[in-house]
Amino acid sequence: AQTVTQSQPEMSVQEAETVTLSCTYDTSENNYYLFWYKQPPSRQMILVIRQEAYKQQNATENRFSVNFQKAAKSFSLKISDSQLGDTAMYFCAFMKYGGNEKLTFGTGTRLTIIP
Amino acid sequence: GAVVSQHPSWVICKSGTSVKIECRSLDFQATTMFWYRQFPKQSLMLMATSNEGSKATYEQGVEKDKFLINHASLTLSTLTVTSAHPEDSSFYICSAEDSYTDTQYFGPGTRLTVL
Repeated sequence: AQTVTQSQPEMSVQEAETVTLSCTYDTSENNYYLFWYKQPPSRQMILVIRQEAYKQQNATENRFSVNFQKAAKSFSLKISDSQLGDTAMYFCAFMKYGGNEKLTFGTGTRLTIIP
Repeated sequence: GAVVSQHPSWVICKSGTSVKIECRSLDFQATTMFWYRQFPKQSLMLMATSNEGSKATYEQGVEKDKFLINHASLTLSTLTVTSAHPEDSSFYICSAEDSYTDTQYFGPGTRLTVL
């Protein structure tokens, strides 16, 4: 079974600063996906970024980037130039490769951007 | 792209009645959809995996006769909470998997309150 650990329950950062959210996971799988989702106060789950384990290059989506360390089973999310709209709960998630597989979520990190 | 709708967004019902929640993928076909339940300040808890044209797969501890799932088409899955009780009050979220990217996209959620 897979497990996902987010060790930072809460974080806060000043607007325009950079913040890194940590995520570690445990699996015996070699091929898999990793995701970061955000859940703002509206409670809509929004995909932030997606990483395929077989790709060595770290995924990037505008101000969001990841540091994927497969050997260390680490998948951190970096948010650059943080904005007030980034205030949300962030969930790290794991999914086995192949489709029709369930997501395994971490417990989440509540991020607050301070004006 | 990758929009998932959920209806209704909130519902209040009396104890003993049944409530149906619809989940639709608007711009892609989803062979697989998922139903989650989320308690306040917690992560998502997977209830069941819904596959088009076949029976849903329920997670351990989820009553299949109480939470009826139907996935009649590639764009629609429904969750019916039968004989609802106050302890069924929760936030229910669906997701639909885009099979081209093996990525789940989430609906906006339904808040169910059972009086």
